[in-house]
Amino acid sequence: DAGVTQSPTHLIKTRGQQVTLRCSPKSGHDTVSWYQQALGQGPQFIFQYYEEEERQRGNFPDRFSGHQFPNYSSELNVNALLLGDSALYLCASSLRDRVRNEQFFGPGTRLTVL
Amino acid sequence: DAKTTQPNSMESNEEEPVHLPCNHSTISGTDYIHWYRQLPSQGPEYVIHGLTSNVNNRMASLAIAEDRKSSTLILHRATLRDAAVYYCILTRAAGNKLTFGGGTRVLVKP
Repeated sequence: DAGVTQSPTHLIKTRGQQVTLRCSPKSGHDTVSWYQQALGQGPQFIFQYYEEEERQRGNFPDRFSGHQFPNYSSELNVNALLLGDSALYLCASSLRDRVRNEQFFGPGTRLTVL
Repeated sequence: DAKTTQPNSMESNEEEPVHLPCNHSTISGTDYIHWYRQLPSQGPEYVIHGLTSNVNNRMASLAIAEDRKSSTLILHRATLRDAAVYYCILTRAAGNKLTFGGGTRVLVKP
């Protein structure tokens, strides 16, 4: 089992550009959540996808959008990049289980906006 | 979301126990207490979770106060690999969004 995988590992963009980050969940998982982690801070929840729909959303502008595919993989898109979007973007997968609620995180994509 | 309060940092010697406190005085009856840790240059990883009773697994133990307003994560014998930021998180049963605070940075000295 490869666990949660994310691509690319690192990415450098300039202000105003658009970026797409990709995530493949752990085998058997049906829910994908995305988090943003600025340097020195804890991860902040962006949104969660289940059954190809956005189910929960954190306090992020609509420049941040996502998609989940039938195979449960997911993409995070960020438009009109700002310098403040520079961060580690983490993907986490889980099962819609009311009890365990355990999320498995990928290694993240490090985005640098210049 | 109910908030948690943790110390910013703690130090421990290798092979000694580490007790990490977490206060969550506004916890609701349906909130689960989760602990995750983040090793350097890695994504967070699940450590343990509980609702009312104390819990043990291969990584750690979770002691939950009777009134559920606080909990303690116990690493029984710290190793250098346990050096990480430990996050105490409350989650609702119906959804699994994780709200991370600042966590406790644990330093393990050889």
